[in-house]
Amino acid sequence: DGGITQSPKYLFRKEGQNVTLSCEQNLNHDAMYWYRQDPGQGLRLIYYSQIVNDFQKGDIAEGYSVSREKKESFPLTVTSAQKNPTAFYLCASSTTGRDQPQHFGDGTRLSIL
Amino acid sequence: KQEVTQIPAALSVPEGENLVLNCSFTDSAIYNLQWFRQDPGKGLTSLLLIQSSQREQTSGRLNASLDKSSGRSTLYIAASQPGDSATYLCAPKAAGNKLTFGGGTRVLVKP
Repeated sequence: DGGITQSPKYLFRKEGQNVTLSCEQNLNHDAMYWYRQDPGQGLRLIYYSQIVNDFQKGDIAEGYSVSREKKESFPLTVTSAQKNPTAFYLCASSTTGRDQPQHFGDGTRLSIL
Repeated sequence: KQEVTQIPAALSVPEGENLVLNCSFTDSAIYNLQWFRQDPGKGLTSLLLIQSSQREQTSGRLNASLDKSSGRSTLYIAASQPGDSATYLCAPKAAGNKLTFGGGTRVLVKP
């Protein structure tokens, strides 16, 4: 089945720790995105990548980092600099054509221990 | 900067009623607008994508309209069912292929 796989489903972070969220897609999409969702709110863009080895900051990139070494993979690291990391994190992908929809994974819920 | 508002924030209707969900956006220079459904604790499922040149897009019981010049889109769900209970999000797409999301409308359809 073609789709987007996010892992783990639940993740706990200790104070001062960096954690990495995985996002893999087998849709052959060039573009990938990371969003953060807080309770009762819409999604906010953290980082996005239109092509391998290139990525751009979104609206709330501070305290996060990404890499895009392979077309299929776009991992997100939540660093210790992110002081309020508790949220639901969603990964999406699309073709780069502007008329194409974005497709989403099932999300990772990150909590602080 | 694009701002997206969805009204109402929550809606409760008896089964069989038609649903009307509103989305407004401040910057009309959009390529398209996507409507999504989100079940609790889950990711987003794309329902409809309406291009900036279109006025309407239909899929089954769902119909989305777009008035780009006034910055409005409406999602209509006909003959609602309990399985339609979810949060519905709208997201216009602008330059840079970036979506901007509204806060969503939480829908409860009572049997």
